[in-house]
Amino acid sequence: DSGVTQTPKHLITATGQRVTLRCSPRSGDLSVYWYQQSLDQGLQFLIQYYNGEERAKGNILERFSAQQFPDLHSELNLSSLELGDSALYFCASSVEGGINTGELFFGEGSRLTVL
Amino acid sequence: GQSLEQPSEVTAVEGAIVQINCTYQTSGFYGLSWYQQHDGGAPTFLSYNGLDGLEETGRFSSFLSRSDSYGYLLLQELQMKDSASYFCAVTDRNDYKLSFGAGTTVTVRA
Repeated sequence: DSGVTQTPKHLITATGQRVTLRCSPRSGDLSVYWYQQSLDQGLQFLIQYYNGEERAKGNILERFSAQQFPDLHSELNLSSLELGDSALYFCASSVEGGINTGELFFGEGSRLTVL
Repeated sequence: GQSLEQPSEVTAVEGAIVQINCTYQTSGFYGLSWYQQHDGGAPTFLSYNGLDGLEETGRFSSFLSRSDSYGYLLLQELQMKDSASYFCAVTDRNDYKLSFGAGTTVTVRA
């Protein structure tokens, strides 16, 4: 158990809908990262927050948005969903920016299926 | 941006040694990490190299050559439970991203 909690674990929805994925980082970790993993693909970096502020952005679609709240939990909002958005969405956390040791702690992921 | 290349698949027998190579390109390289992911599960951190050389952690070792933009993960005394995907990842000092390669699927046969 990494200490990172993601909800929901599974989500099935229809095209055009909007969903919110939630992540609680490990106790004491200030940084939260979001990654997307499509079937048999690598981990695509979406966005990183550090202590409530956006720190780095990857190839995140405009239909997607995220935020980190004062209690350090984070939410990833996916809207106008398309079939291609079906994927595993991972949240990870680290004490700081992860730049020192490259060590991130990953949650179990939220599996999104868009029908 | 960053790009990483690693082999897509490796198959070996129990007890064997496997080396997974990773070459990378990034403008602000800071360090190279390795992660293991069992089918659909959470990636777990294995090792990190910030400086050239070999880091050993039990049966797993990782190597980095900054001048060659190259690293590898060495899996020794392979066990069935080592069957998983292994990802190299680079930390970029310019944008703090941790970018992952496409992953190498290691299959261990009896």
